[in-house]
Amino acid sequence: GENVEQHPSTLSVQEGDSAVIKCTYSDSASNYFPWYKQELGKRPQLIIDIRSNVGEKKDQRIAVTLNKTAKHFSLHITETQPEDSAVYFCAASKNNAGNMLTFGGGTRLMVKP
Amino acid sequence: DTEVTQTPKHLVMGMTNKKSLKCEQHMGHRAMYWYKQKAKKPPELMFVYSYEKLSINESVPSRFSPECPNSSLLNLHLHALQPEDSALYLCASSVVGGDEKLFFGSGTQLSVL
Repeated sequence: GENVEQHPSTLSVQEGDSAVIKCTYSDSASNYFPWYKQELGKRPQLIIDIRSNVGEKKDQRIAVTLNKTAKHFSLHITETQPEDSAVYFCAASKNNAGNMLTFGGGTRLMVKP
Repeated sequence: DTEVTQTPKHLVMGMTNKKSLKCEQHMGHRAMYWYKQKAKKPPELMFVYSYEKLSINESVPSRFSPECPNSSLLNLHLHALQPEDSALYLCASSVVGGDEKLFFGSGTQLSVL
């Protein structure tokens, strides 16, 4: 089955700095890669996703890059703000009957004001 | 309506109790999921329903019994649980195939005494 590794497990940055979180996956058939943000006690919320036919996608301060050959993808957050503090999960899946997401272990991002 | 609603938000039960978790969505999604999330860990897939039929059971113990009465509702029946089953139980929904975006509910925080 799919295995997703995520690094780092914790990340502390100063407000205004950039943050980068990296994930690798094992199954070359995976073709969908979402990122979720989960604040303490709340639901995981989709913040950005990318499909295997695209190398990069950007939404305001958030961007995701995908390297299919190397089987890794990354989340980039620029101009970080205290409200970006949360746990971020990457995930991977194949398009089949039901979206079987395999999640990475999570990154706790702390943005210091 | 872009929400997945879960009830109750919190549940405390003894090991001999029978209880049910409920999930509802009105986005017309025909795939619904149960995930289990332990503290500081990623969500783990338990069950997937596709067109109201159970399509995936990730080797979940029989003390967890899912039910999908119609395309908007998903239940998880609990019986004879163990303290290690204490966790956040997340419901999610998505379309089947095509756009795989997964929408999570806020979860039920379950404590088994």
